[in-house]
Amino acid sequence: NAGVTQTPKFQVLKTGQSMTLQCAQDMNHNSMYWYRQDPGMGLRLIYYSASEGTTDKGEVPNGYNVSRLNKREFSLRLESAAPSQTSVYFCASSEVGLSNQPQHFGDGTRLSIL
Amino acid sequence: GQQLNQSPQSMFIQEGEDVSMNCTSSSIFNTWLWYKQDPGEGPVLLIALYKAGELTSNGRLTAQFGITRKDSFLNISASIPSDVGIYFCAGQEGSNQFYFGTGTSLTVIP
Repeated sequence: NAGVTQTPKFQVLKTGQSMTLQCAQDMNHNSMYWYRQDPGMGLRLIYYSASEGTTDKGEVPNGYNVSRLNKREFSLRLESAAPSQTSVYFCASSEVGLSNQPQHFGDGTRLSIL
Repeated sequence: GQQLNQSPQSMFIQEGEDVSMNCTSSSIFNTWLWYKQDPGEGPVLLIALYKAGELTSNGRLTAQFGITRKDSFLNISASIPSDVGIYFCAGQEGSNQFYFGTGTSLTVIP
């Protein structure tokens, strides 16, 4: 009963380093999302992929890139990490993109940038 | 970006008490969702609402889609220790992205 799986669960980076956060879902969902969660704020959408082969910017895309590798996988890349990108990152998926279908979330990646 | 106003920010209640929280926005939404997040985990969907005035229950949880379409409410009856966590509302206008509230942190004192 995996649902949405995110790796790694924790990561510490130095400023300027790059890394890729991985996400995979086994629910055959068409749409996938990346959010960041900061203290005192709600989840904010970074990028989403309404369907395989498409990606679009969300509310806070600067400093990030994404790849929809196939229907199951959607990765988030930080090319040059900055302390402001310290956050908890959540991947989510839903049956149909940007519709009213609820999103199912992974358990998050806790990222600290020093 | 839009942020939803969720209140209260935190609640400390005795086990067995009822809980009420709400979420308001400046925009009209066509969908409201309520999620619960346990420490170290992702949000889990509790209730989805699709129609103004709709009242939907999930066990001891009841949520309502406000008539103005700018607010939603979540009630938990007879709280138990496992209700502890952060509750988030999320709203969608048209076919755009969901916007999330800032969360209500619930502590249940046995």
